[in-house]
Amino acid sequence: QKEVEQDPGPLSVPEGAIVSLNCTYSNSAFQYFMWYRQYSRKGPELLMYTYSSGNKEDGRFTAQVDKSSKYISLFIRDSQPSDSATYLCARVAGGYQKVTFGTGTKLQVIP
Amino acid sequence: DTGVSQDPRHKITKRGQNVTFRCDPISEHNRLYWYRQTLGQGPEFLTYFQNEAQLEKSRLLSDRFSAERPKGSFSTLEIQRTEQGDSAMYLCASSPRDSTEAFFGQGTRLTVV
Repeated sequence: QKEVEQDPGPLSVPEGAIVSLNCTYSNSAFQYFMWYRQYSRKGPELLMYTYSSGNKEDGRFTAQVDKSSKYISLFIRDSQPSDSATYLCARVAGGYQKVTFGTGTKLQVIP
Repeated sequence: DTGVSQDPRHKITKRGQNVTFRCDPISEHNRLYWYRQTLGQGPEFLTYFQNEAQLEKSRLLSDRFSAERPKGSFSTLEIQRTEQGDSAMYLCASSPRDSTEAFFGQGTRLTVV
């Protein structure tokens, strides 16, 4: 079983829609969770990170962690064509802060 | 731009040749990571440096791969006797001490023909 499982999509939504991206993880050790955004042929860029259960909001983005079910989600409100990218969920654990990524979900927001 | 810099951006090489990639991390970031990403997959961890010390290597890093970070600044990743399966995007990231945030470079895309 992979440490982080993510539906690869692709996911296609109309502009203005609410997007829900989800991941599950298998290791229960104390850890941080992150969402990265990766545009085509670019390196990943960090969107949000959290280490506790509950919601964390930043503008149109909300990260949600449910440690009891080992489920992490990213919600995007009022989605824009510029949000079209691959979204990678990730966990960070251990003293070296090594990041373990999911496979990524490719999102397309259609104008 | 003071982000993580990787060179070259693209490399095409013949099977069996050696290649070397360079990564310049953000200044004063003591942690440096190398990842590999193939099409449709998330980045996979290869190796980690804290300052000049290489503290962790993935099983993905075969004997043909070697990484260095002399003086704890820039890092190089060398692949010897390249194989077609080595074709991928090689990403470098750096992180400051006591931070969970890793900053990625734009990557080096390797194509082995």
